Amino acid sequence: DIQMTQSPSTLSASVGDTVNMTCRASQSISVWVAWYQQKPGKAPNLLIYKASSLESGVPSRFSGSGSGTEFTLTIRSLQPDDFATYYCQQYNTYSWTFGQGTKVETK
Amino acid sequence: EVQLVESGGGLVKPGGSLRLSCVVSGFSFNSYNINWVRQAPGKGLEWVSCISSSSNYIYYADSVEGRFTTYRDNAKNSVYLQMNSLRVEDTAVYYCTRDRRSSGYSAVGYWGQGTLVTVSS
Repeated sequence: DIQMTQSPSTLSASVGDTVNMTCRASQSISVWVAWYQQKPGKAPNLLIYKASSLESGVPSRFSGSGSGTEFTLTIRSLQPDDFATYYCQQYNTYSWTFGQGTKVETK
Repeated sequence: EVQLVESGGGLVKPGGSLRLSCVVSGFSFNSYNINWVRQAPGKGLEWVSCISSSSNYIYYADSVEGRFTTYRDNAKNSVYLQMNSLRVEDTAVYYCTRDRRSSGYSAVGYWGQGTLVTVSS
């Protein structure tokens, strides 16, 4: 199985900050990476697909980049609603695998 | 509006069985793959199973292979996850999900609200 190593596990930030989180795949997965946001007690919500494509309705302060084995999610000008946990996912092959998650918390 | 509604979760003893159901609406059900993804309490996401739109291929995670069975009834807009020989480590919220697109590589576009399965003696 392809392993997805996500870092950091926790990120402390303030409103207005720009934050970055990374996902590394154990082998090349081209651009088949998605990023999801999850809030407590809720199902995840798709933010980015195909490494850098913004899902409809998602604010443009979210962006994704990368290809091959290294991928980044960037949130510019962090808003109060963005404090949540973020997961990367590879869908290059079944079985899908997810990163361990990055929790964005208030500094 | 796309909707996926899971049901069937509950408390079951180790070694027991449970069947989850997912009823969908708001899209052409027989055009999309459906996946089950689970999340243990306080933990991350784990993919469980995929069933293709016409059931011609079905995949399982190693952790559930041989114990779980996924099937769908396109006439009823429903997908099912039959879970046998349940273990304590199967305790999780189980989400029914729909691919974002109907063909090719696809992320998860839609999630159900989830149903909690608790395996405990």
